[in-house]
Amino acid sequence: GAGVSQSPSNKVTEKGKDVELRCDPISGHTALYWYRQSLGQGLEFLIYFQGNSAPDKSGLPSDRFSAERTGGSVSTLTIQRTQQEDSAVYLCASSLFEVRGYGYTFGSGTRLTVV
Amino acid sequence: AQSVTQLDSQVPVFEEAPVELRCNYSSSVSVYLFWYVQYPNQGLQLLLKYLSGSTLVKGINGFEAEFNKSQTSFHLRKPSVHISDTAEYFCAVSDPNTDKLIFGTGTRLQVFP
Repeated sequence: GAGVSQSPSNKVTEKGKDVELRCDPISGHTALYWYRQSLGQGLEFLIYFQGNSAPDKSGLPSDRFSAERTGGSVSTLTIQRTQQEDSAVYLCASSLFEVRGYGYTFGSGTRLTVV
Repeated sequence: AQSVTQLDSQVPVFEEAPVELRCNYSSSVSVYLFWYVQYPNQGLQLLLKYLSGSTLVKGINGFEAEFNKSQTSFHLRKPSVHISDTAEYFCAVSDPNTDKLIFGTGTRLQVFP
């Protein structure tokens, strides 16, 4: 596609429910990154994919968070048993891993609100 | 490990005035440096980047930044700002081996008429 697409753009969920956030990267981009942006905070790295594998999951806050990528394309970030502190904007980005310093292209994000 | 410090959380400035947004980084290895801009309710957009070579880097919308290795800084400048430059600006550093970006906490630029 022309850009990185994220869905839904907004999600309101009840505490304790599971949510799935989707990211569709730019076609041909081998690397995919998930970040979390909380109110007044910077961007917190969560996980990145090189192809379908995740060499670095160090930013996932707890075992309630998981992510997968299939076909070297679409990625899904799943948050189980959501808590109010999970409320944030979740940003996805893609890049060409083979060209270091290429720079990321970001999606518009999913705003998650846990009530 | 790398880290980024953006010294100013907010910078108010009048239209047509010059502006500098400060960024300092820490790293034990050579890094790539980036500035991204985030307009309200949008994702981040790449403004400019430094990989190697000339230390003065020019980006989109009239912005430029200068890499200073001795001071470990990468400050962003614009000689004359517009109302439309009002946004959040993020400095970031990446390890060339992993390409993972570490972001600063951001600087909110508010341009007043």
